[in-house]
Amino acid sequence: DAMVIQNPRYQVTQFGKPVTLSCSQTLNHNVMYWYQQKSSQAPKLLFHYYDKDFNNEADTPDNFQSRRPNTSFCFLDIRSPGLGDAAMYLCATSSGRTAPTDTQYFGPGTRLTVL
Amino acid sequence: GESVGLHLPTLSVQEGDNSIINCAYSNSASDYFIWYKQESGKGPQFIIDIRSNMDKRQGQRVTVLLNKTVKHLSLQIAATQPGDSAVYFCAETHSGGYNKLIFGAGTRLAVHP
Repeated sequence: DAMVIQNPRYQVTQFGKPVTLSCSQTLNHNVMYWYQQKSSQAPKLLFHYYDKDFNNEADTPDNFQSRRPNTSFCFLDIRSPGLGDAAMYLCATSSGRTAPTDTQYFGPGTRLTVL
Repeated sequence: GESVGLHLPTLSVQEGDNSIINCAYSNSASDYFIWYKQESGKGPQFIIDIRSNMDKRQGQRVTVLLNKTVKHLSLQIAATQPGDSAVYFCAETHSGGYNKLIFGAGTRLAVHP
């Protein structure tokens, strides 16, 4: 089945130690998104890629970076995780071809714990 | 500014009853609305969507109603089941610019046997 896959599902890191979360998709979608979701809150968009074009949200801290080496994969790098970065990180994809009805499909998320 | 919010943070229903989850939005330019279901520890799952040129859309056991006059969106779940227990988010977007979703705060639906 076509899907959005996130690895790992659970990640533990130490304060200040760089960490990378990964997302892959078999939907052949043009757009990939990264969201941060804290407990009992709605997902918050960090950035997205339309093909190779990177689009950063204005309030996304510089501590968060992303890479998209090819259509299928997208990475979220947290350069120096702080305790406040502990959250669920969600990857989503959309085709990018049917705006505005361009439905986003989410992966299962990676739960990041910062010690 | 733009916002999508929910009237009720928690909704408790009996199994078999119908559930109604409400959502208000403030951007009159919004033209596409989506409901997502998020179970504990999982990513949001697409349930149903509706475009602004419609006022009602039905799926399997779910119906979305859109009232553009008062900028209100609702999700109706018929014959609610324990498996419907989750947090439900409404989200909106508009065709100006890229497909940035604006999420509401979420409503937790608790289904009791």
